[in-house]
Amino acid sequence: DVKVTQSSRYLVKRTGEKVFLECVQDMDHENMFWYRQDPGLGLRLIYFSYDVKMKEKGDIPEGYSVSREKKERFSLILESASTNQTSMYLCASRPQGLSYEQYFGPGTRLTVT
Amino acid sequence: AQSVTQPDIHITVSEGASLELRCNYSYGATPYLFWYVQSPGQGLQLLLKYFSGDTLVQGIKGFEAEFKRSQSSFNLRKPSVHWSDAAEYFCAVVENYGQNFVFGPGTRLSVLP
Repeated sequence: DVKVTQSSRYLVKRTGEKVFLECVQDMDHENMFWYRQDPGLGLRLIYFSYDVKMKEKGDIPEGYSVSREKKERFSLILESASTNQTSMYLCASRPQGLSYEQYFGPGTRLTVT
Repeated sequence: AQSVTQPDIHITVSEGASLELRCNYSYGATPYLFWYVQSPGQGLQLLLKYFSGDTLVQGIKGFEAEFKRSQSSFNLRKPSVHWSDAAEYFCAVVENYGQNFVFGPGTRLSVLP
């Protein structure tokens, strides 16, 4: 089974802190994604990566950055956390090819106070 | 840009009743369509997907969905709902040559005993 893990299920940070959310997948997938999930808005893509050290902006990249130094790991960074970044963050991965199916981690619920 | 709408924010059904969750999309070409389910506190799990061919697709947990090009719809159905089906359901379409999903806002399903 594909497994996507996220470093924390719940996280509480203060405004202005630098926050790292880690995601690891164990299936050698080329593509990895970060989404945020908010009620009534569904999932919105923040960033994705299709290879090591490669990244592309999604729909809502402002206030976020990412890092992919190894194929299995994709990190989301909040340089200076703000209260409007309180949300559920979901990581996903998928292989190259035509299946398109994305495999999701359990999510990290981040609260910024 | 593609978009996905799920007209029902919240649906409540009795256990054993039939279920239909609506999904409409906007996309010029033949879309790749997905339904995901998110149980409380969990990540997203794929229920089923449509790429081409038979417009009625079967998924896991007894779910099925029908692609209707004339109506730009991909509605999810289940003949008899179980209490464990209570969850949030997301419809999604692939855009950008398979790089990105576009998700609908989700429909929350409650099941009465």
